[in-house]
Formats: sequence, structure tokens, C-alpha cells
Amino acid sequence: AQSVAQPEDQVNVAEGNPLTVKCTYSVSGNPYLFWYVQYPNRGLQFLLKYITGDNLVKGSYGFEAEFNKSQTSFHLKKPSALVSDSALYFCAVRPSTGAGSYQLTFGKGTKLSVIP
Amino acid sequence: DTAVSQTPKYLVTQMGNDKSIKCEQNLGHDTMYWYKQDSKKFLKIMFSYNNKELIINETVPNRFSPKSPDKAHLNLHINSLELGDSAVYFCASTPNTGGAETQYFGPGTRLLVL
Repeated sequence: AQSVAQPEDQVNVAEGNPLTVKCTYSVSGNPYLFWYVQYPNRGLQFLLKYITGDNLVKGSYGFEAEFNKSQTSFHLKKPSALVSDSALYFCAVRPSTGAGSYQLTFGKGTKLSVIP
Repeated sequence: DTAVSQTPKYLVTQMGNDKSIKCEQNLGHDTMYWYKQDSKKFLKIMFSYNNKELIINETVPNRFSPKSPDKAHLNLHINSLELGDSAVYFCASTPNTGGAETQYFGPGTRLLVL
């Protein structure tokens, strides 16, 4: 069965500084990897995904993530954090084939706080 | 022109009651999902339907029964509500069952069982 680990419950960063939200995964075969963001009292919004090809994926609002197969990681990054980036971030994985391929598995979420 | 909508947004009810949550998507997608987000924000899949056919049925009490009258709608009926059912329930949809598809989420239904 697939799984996702987000090792930090909370990440604090000063406005204007770079941010990283960590994610590692476990899956049989090749993964499809996703990042979603949840603002307070809202549904999840898609940020970016890795399917195949270039390991560096660019997404919405200036976010990007790097797929690292050897480290089974898919960390979310942004060069310069904004206060409006403060939210709950979820990493998710789905195997490209086989058992579990119908199912998206989420990490437990990382709360990002950007301090003015 | 909301893509995925849920009703109601808030639901406060007594233990033992039966309630339904409705979900509609106007994206023309074939596949729809129900997720439960608990008080610790952990998100877990409950059910998935593809073109009105059940394809994911996770370990969920049989008090929860999904119904898909057509591929644009996926409703969730809950019998004999318990305190532990208090959570936020999210509906989502994708164009099909393909693993690379982005999921589009509704705004959530906040259920509080007293």
C-alpha cells in the first residue's frame, strides 16, 4: 500500500525568505505525486503534480517541487514566501499502475505560517 | 459557476439522526469521491464512483451509504449518526479514473454531531 510522510507538522518562515515543505513517499512502481493547499474553512486546491519527465515541476502561485526518485521525495518550494501563502499543505501519491492506482493517498498535512 | 458544490455547508445534528450530504459537479467528469477530514486535518478516502459505478469502498461503517443518481451527482447518506462522525466531508471529482488526473474538491460540509 502507498503512503506519504510529511515530517513537519508546522513550518514557520519569514516573509520574503525561501520556503520548503517536505514530503517523502512509498509506492510500488512509478508514482504520480501531487501538492494541494487548503486555506482555512475551504476545500483543497491543486498546486502542482509530477507525472513523468522533468524532475522539477512548476505550479500555481510561484510554487515548484522537485521529484527525487532515489530519495523518494517530492519537496515543495518557493523562492520568496508571502504572508498569503500561510495555509495547510498536503502532499499526495498515487501509483501509476496496479493495486491502489484508483486511490490518492494524502500525507497528514503541514501548516505553513509566513511571518510578516 | 462553481465546479464542485456541496450542500449543506454546515450540518449540526443530534446523535442517532439520519442525514444526507449532496455533491454536484458541472465539469463533465466521470469520477467522483467522498473524503473525510478529521479534527487533526487527516484526509481519508471513503468512496469513489466512476460513471455511477462504485469503484472504491474503503473500510467505512455501513451506516454510510453513497448514492450516485447520475455521473454529475454523488450523495452521502449517514444513518444513526455518532459523535465520531463529526468531521468535514469533502467531495471531489476527476475526468476519469486515471491516476494522473487532478482532483477538484468541493468546499466541504462541516458536520457536528451533538
